[in-house]
Amino acid sequence: GQNIDQPTEMTATEGAIVQINCTYQTSGFNGLFWYQQHAGEAPTFLSYNVLDGLEEKGRFSSFLSRSKGYSYLLLKELQMKDSASYLCAVVDSNYQLIWGAGTKLIIKP
Amino acid sequence: IAGITQAPTSQILAAGRRMTLRCTQDMRHNAMYWYRQDLGLGLRLIHYSNTAGTTGKGEVPDGYSVSRANTDDFPLTLASAVPSQTSVYFCASSEAADNTEAFFGQGTRLTVV
Repeated sequence: GQNIDQPTEMTATEGAIVQINCTYQTSGFNGLFWYQQHAGEAPTFLSYNVLDGLEEKGRFSSFLSRSKGYSYLLLKELQMKDSASYLCAVVDSNYQLIWGAGTKLIIKP
Repeated sequence: IAGITQAPTSQILAAGRRMTLRCTQDMRHNAMYWYRQDLGLGLRLIHYSNTAGTTGKGEVPDGYSVSRANTDDFPLTLASAVPSQTSVYFCASSEAADNTEAFFGQGTRLTVV
């Protein structure tokens, strides 16, 4: 079967750095997405990785290792507004998105 | 403002009733999707459409049907609602039916009692 694993919940301090991990086992791989979802709202796109390595976009970076079936989302200089769920999703061989259950990130002052 | 719109925002529905959730996008995206989101689970694909006139079944299609008569609209119908269909439903669209970014509607919170 196909599986995406993420921690259920993480807590971090305002101004700090946090890394959210995602491991996957899917039938094929055609890219990995990270989405942010605030409570009661729709998911919004954060990043996309299809090749190994680090993609940096402002305070957010996303890393991919296809050989390890592993990705992480790195959030720097955390702000209170970063409190949200972070969803990892993998595009499989049929170009279907397989979603993880999401990681709820709690930011404390 | 361009985007994807769902209606209604929330609904309480009696079991056994028929219900259609509406979804409209104005981005001229070819692909559209319906997901349900339940606590502790990832988004699960119900049905999808790669282009107008075509539809396909996702991971959890039972009890749901869709149609795609044109590019913009992708309604989801529950023929006879059951309590297990209580969920938050998200409609999404993407430019093409491959690994492109998906844009989501604001969601419909459905409670079946």
